[in-house]
Amino acid sequence: NAGVMQNPRHLVRRRGQEARLRCSPMKGHSHVYWYRQLPEEGLKFMVYLQKENIIDESGMPKERFSAEFPKEGPSILRIQQVVRGDSAAYFCASSPQRGLGANVLTFGAGSRLTVL
Amino acid sequence: DAKTTQPPSMDCAEGRAANLPCNHSTISGNEYVYWYRQIHSQGPQYIIHGLKNNETNEMASLIITEDRKSSTLILPHATLRDTAVYYCTNTGANSKLTFGKGITLSVRP
Repeated sequence: NAGVMQNPRHLVRRRGQEARLRCSPMKGHSHVYWYRQLPEEGLKFMVYLQKENIIDESGMPKERFSAEFPKEGPSILRIQQVVRGDSAAYFCASSPQRGLGANVLTFGAGSRLTVL
Repeated sequence: DAKTTQPPSMDCAEGRAANLPCNHSTISGNEYVYWYRQIHSQGPQYIIHGLKNNETNEMASLIITEDRKSSTLILPHATLRDTAVYYCTNTGANSKLTFGKGITLSVRP
């Protein structure tokens, strides 16, 4: 009965490289959310996905960031050409449904990206 | 663009009740109040949510004022492990959760 699994837990990249963060939701959950937490700041919503669909990407930076949740496999948050300002903790969360209970999210432990 | 306001920090003694306030004066009629917490370096953890009635679960109690403009999260017997940042937010059932800066609760021995 594993919870939300994120990997890698820690990732170091040099400026200009790509970062790929993976998230496997809880079993039975078909809704995935990504949040970013900059050092000493609160959680900022990035994107909400269902299987094969992006539902709300209003918090995603316009460039370099993309997310997917394929029919098979984990959700992926991809950051191209990383810059130092991308250094943050990226949290994934999942929920089983929309409507009442939808915002009872289960979060993963996060992936901490450091850009050198 | 936080929709709630919370004091930045508070502390309480171990074993005592911790009462964490939250103002959500612009809450809409169909929006729920949610509380999450984040223990240092961990992922956020759901605590409780409610619409207008008071709620209680194994973690905490949620008291919502009659006008729904504010609420209080009560940890009845705080322990050192309850030291964390507590986030209060309000949102509709089909809307995304957004978080403000939260309130840092420090439980002292």
